[in-house]
Amino acid sequence: QPVLTQPPSVSGAPGQRVTISCTGSRSNIGAGHDVHWYQQLPGTAPRLLIDDKNNRPSGVPDRFSGSKSGTSASLAITGLQAEDEADYHCQSYDRSLSVWVFGGGTKLTVL
Amino acid sequence: QVQLQESGPGLVKPSQTLSLTCTVSGGSISSGDYYWNWIRQPAGKGLEWIGHISTSGSTNYIPSLKSRVTISADMSKNQFSLKLSSVTAADTAMYYCARQTGGNIVTFDYWGQGTRATVSS
Repeated sequence: QPVLTQPPSVSGAPGQRVTISCTGSRSNIGAGHDVHWYQQLPGTAPRLLIDDKNNRPSGVPDRFSGSKSGTSASLAITGLQAEDEADYHCQSYDRSLSVWVFGGGTKLTVL
Repeated sequence: QVQLQESGPGLVKPSQTLSLTCTVSGGSISSGDYYWNWIRQPAGKGLEWIGHISTSGSTNYIPSLKSRVTISADMSKNQFSLKLSSVTAADTAMYYCARQTGGNIVTFDYWGQGTRATVSS
């Protein structure tokens, strides 16, 4: 079981806003460790989407934003577009396990 | 632009050793504040960090695989490698190599395209 918990799937219509949650514990997100998000388009490798400080690599639109509170984090996508259909993974560090951890991934479907 | 490319046999027999290599271009694996990682993803599942090697050659592994994993680097070829011994069907996955930044914000910023490894007799 992944250390970070994400919903298996979310969906939204074009133009809408969706959020993807990432729930951890006091040994990872709750301990103040950074949470980063990765996008995995169908059949491709993951790519860094946004880091804990809301920095986005070149080419990532500002429709993507992240937030964090307590033991959870969220990724928000506004103005949903068909090209956003992908799997999204959150990632942090767990101090108890001493490992870099990921969520199980969330499949975003654009209706 | 840093690029990573995995290579290795796609099929490994149970109990044997899986050996994969990641060739890096556009940057040196022996310089900078970076770590060079292996991450895997079973079909339809999430990502699992396996371990990394630093530019100075120090390694760190996930405890659950530590007894079976070795990550090493060949600086002259700008490559780093993964060896996973005593494999079982549970090790069947897509394997990615990735660069991890050091410093204040530690992310996996560059990834290879991945190579699929299947454990089967």
